[in-house]
Amino acid sequence: QKEVEQNSGPLSVPEGAIASLNCTYSDRGSQSFFWYRQYSGKSPELIMSIYSNGDKEDGRFTAQLNKASQYVSLLIRDSQPSDSATYLCAVAGGTSYGKLTFGQGTILTVHP
Amino acid sequence: DTAVSQTPKYLVTQMGNDKSIKCEQNLGHDTMYWYKQDSKKFLKIMFSYNNKELIINETVPNRFSPKSPDKAHLNLHINSLELGDSAVYFCASTPALGGAFFGQGTRLTVV
Repeated sequence: QKEVEQNSGPLSVPEGAIASLNCTYSDRGSQSFFWYRQYSGKSPELIMSIYSNGDKEDGRFTAQLNKASQYVSLLIRDSQPSDSATYLCAVAGGTSYGKLTFGQGTILTVHP
Repeated sequence: DTAVSQTPKYLVTQMGNDKSIKCEQNLGHDTMYWYKQDSKKFLKIMFSYNNKELIINETVPNRFSPKSPDKAHLNLHINSLELGDSAVYFCASTPALGGAFFGQGTRLTVV
């Protein structure tokens, strides 16, 4: 089982739609959860962090965490072509102190 | 002011050579990382340092040797480069609580 697994892509949505990205993790003791966006040829950029169960909203982005199900998601409302990128889920804490583990990424394309 | 800076940005070298990548952060973070991103874009952790001490070594070949002279710097030296070492290498730093900030990456090509 992969430590952090993201829903397989690529994901394509029309402009203005909601994009839903999902991630599961294996270490039940994990404490910190992050979403990164990476444009082609660029470095990963932190867009959301979440630490407790429930929803966290920041502009058009909403992160959702369910520790019982070991599941974290990212919703992007009113998707824009500029949101087209690879989205990376990352998990920290748990049994491996000092380890920030990434999922394999989901490529999102928002078409006009 | 670049928060996490890596040099060089591009590195092209022949098999068997030795090369170094430098990383510096001015964020005051205690923890720094090296990640390798392969052609499929998977970010794999290589090393993690906390306040100059190695805390994670993810079964990386001995040809890779990180060095942290102080908590603001984490360099990566690679001996006897192989074709399979070609990738983008990212340095990152993180505060005690929060996400990591990445450098711009070093694209290493071994020919």
